[in-house]
Amino acid sequence: GAGVSQSPRYKVAKRGQDVALRCDPISGHVSLFWYQQALGQGPEFLTYFQNEAQLDKSGLPSDRFFAERPEGSVSTLKIQRTQQEDSAVYLCASSTRARTYEQYFGPGTRLTVT
Amino acid sequence: DAKTTQPNSMESNEEEPVHLPCNHSTISGTDYIHWYRQLPSQGPEYVIHGLTSNVNNRMASLAIAEDRKSSTLILHRATLRDAAVYYCILRELYNFNKFYFGSGTKLNVKP
Repeated sequence: GAGVSQSPRYKVAKRGQDVALRCDPISGHVSLFWYQQALGQGPEFLTYFQNEAQLDKSGLPSDRFFAERPEGSVSTLKIQRTQQEDSAVYLCASSTRARTYEQYFGPGTRLTVT
Repeated sequence: DAKTTQPNSMESNEEEPVHLPCNHSTISGTDYIHWYRQLPSQGPEYVIHGLTSNVNNRMASLAIAEDRKSSTLILHRATLRDAAVYYCILRELYNFNKFYFGSGTKLNVKP
């Protein structure tokens, strides 16, 4: 079946621009996660949804980062007034509620802020 | 954050077993040990997880030390497709939605 998809795969933004990154989880997966992966580093947790409820946003680095999942399926990560330090790969993952240990990751969106 | 320590890189020959070590000396009694791997230009993928007992699945085996302060991921016969960054992750029982990936071990498999 279809895996987790993310779009766009690549995004170049000028410093100060707003960007929106989309995640389509596996159908039926109630849990959805966003991660940020800097070059050469492991992914870092940003936020977690269960259905449409954002249960944990403790990893969001600043109030410029905002995530939503209004209908409990597709999710959008929005970054306002992008800065160079926001350049990274943004990964989305989904899982069933019972098997959150097995997260299925998308290919990521590589964001470059110039 | 639950912390793990892994070697930065390891090398293996194709079709030989690979033992990837992980130290987690501050593990608590309710932390699960997870392994994920990330192939080049892809998102991470689940490999295996365990709590106290050794675990086997179709991809690998997980050997957990008796004191749980270390574990080893075992790939029984490495293939070129196993070249990836392997992450050892502690997952807290009461903070189950968070994975702390660390920097991982980059495994190079030589033909």
